[in-house]
Amino acid sequence: NAGVTQTPKFRVLKTGQSMTLLCAQDMNHEYMYWYRQDPGMGLRLIHYSVGEGTTAKGEVPDGYNVSRLKKQNFLLGLESAAPSQTSVYFCATNRGLFIGEQYFGPGTRLTVT
Amino acid sequence: QKEVEQDPGPLSVPEGAIVSLNCTYSNSAFQYFMWYRQYSRKGPELLMYTYSSGNKEDGRFTAQVDKSSKYISLFIRDSQPSDSATYLCAMRALIQGAQKLVFGQGTRLTINP
Repeated sequence: NAGVTQTPKFRVLKTGQSMTLLCAQDMNHEYMYWYRQDPGMGLRLIHYSVGEGTTAKGEVPDGYNVSRLKKQNFLLGLESAAPSQTSVYFCATNRGLFIGEQYFGPGTRLTVT
Repeated sequence: QKEVEQDPGPLSVPEGAIVSLNCTYSNSAFQYFMWYRQYSRKGPELLMYTYSSGNKEDGRFTAQVDKSSKYISLFIRDSQPSDSATYLCAMRALIQGAQKLVFGQGTRLTINP
């Protein structure tokens, strides 16, 4: 089992460009999350999904959109990248019964110049 | 004021030392307390979680919760170089039927051989 995978691992964007980050899981988990991790800020929740076809805003949703068309995939989109979106992005999943037990992907390092 | 405060370190100790990592919190609604370990350029992984005040032991790791003081700790006995990582505390609350998870900023720990 691959667990949680993220594509791509690294990306450099210019300001104003768009991109989509893909998260895939093979654990059949209902809940999926997108976080960003910045120095001194810890993990901050961007958006999350409690099941196929559902999405909801987290703590820092501005500038991002998400979609969960299939249970195993959760996409994070940046329509017009800004330097403030330079960060490491993590996808996480859990079954939903207890959200403290989260399984994280390896992360995507994004730099916006 | 952040809901969860964690000293970012860095913390450097010799191999074999006892390590103490700490978090404080302000929201009395937090009920579950987690510790995650994150190796460099990897996603966080759950180490252990606790619910009640007191101690919970798992091998060389002991999680301690003091709800009256809103203070949690993670102790590592007989520390090993392989314990070198960033340790994040996380806390879960149930608010109006929805689960909320908040992470601390993380403490970077280095165990020197």
